[in-house]
Amino acid sequence: RKEVEQDPGPFNVPEGATVAFNCTYSNSASQSFFWYRQDCRKEPKLLMSVYSSGNEDGRFTAQLNRASQYISLLIRDSKLSDSATYLCVVTNYGGSQGNLIFGKGTKLSVKP
Amino acid sequence: EAGVAQSPRYKIIEKRQSVAFWCNPISGHATLYWYQQILGQGPKLLIQFQNNGVVDDSQLPKDRFSAERLKGVDSTLKIQPAKLEDSAVYLCASSSQPLDIYEQYFGPGTRLTVT
Repeated sequence: RKEVEQDPGPFNVPEGATVAFNCTYSNSASQSFFWYRQDCRKEPKLLMSVYSSGNEDGRFTAQLNRASQYISLLIRDSKLSDSATYLCVVTNYGGSQGNLIFGKGTKLSVKP
Repeated sequence: EAGVAQSPRYKIIEKRQSVAFWCNPISGHATLYWYQQILGQGPKLLIQFQNNGVVDDSQLPKDRFSAERLKGVDSTLKIQPAKLEDSAVYLCASSSQPLDIYEQYFGPGTRLTVT
């Protein structure tokens, strides 16, 4: 079983739609969780951190369920500019360092 | 603030040849990472440096890959000899502290094609 698994995608949605991405992780000791965004042929960039209490940033809402080892990202009122690949990321700490473990990503295409 | 710099941006080589990539992290960032991103997959950590010391190279194929960060600033990643399956984007990232890993900043990457 892969450490981080995401919806296969791609997701093709019209502008204004609400879209949700899901992610599961296998290591119950994982400590921090994030969503990164990667535009085509560009580097990944941090979109938002994910907290157990849930967090919202404008049109984006992230949720974490530690018991189910499940992470989600909800995008409301999709814009054309939201088209990108969304990477689910977890961290495992060991000693004085930590590693980011990325999922394969889910591609989102928002159409006019 | 200047971002993470990488060169070259693109490289095409034949299998069994050697190749080297260069990375200059954000000024003052002590931690530097090299990732390999194969098409359709997420980035995979190859090696992590803290200043000029290696703290994690467990996923680096050491029979053909090597990396160094001699003065704790710039870093080079080398592949010798290259295989077809090494075709990927090689991303360098840096962060100011080892546990501030969510603050990793990525460079634009080097796209390697092995023919």
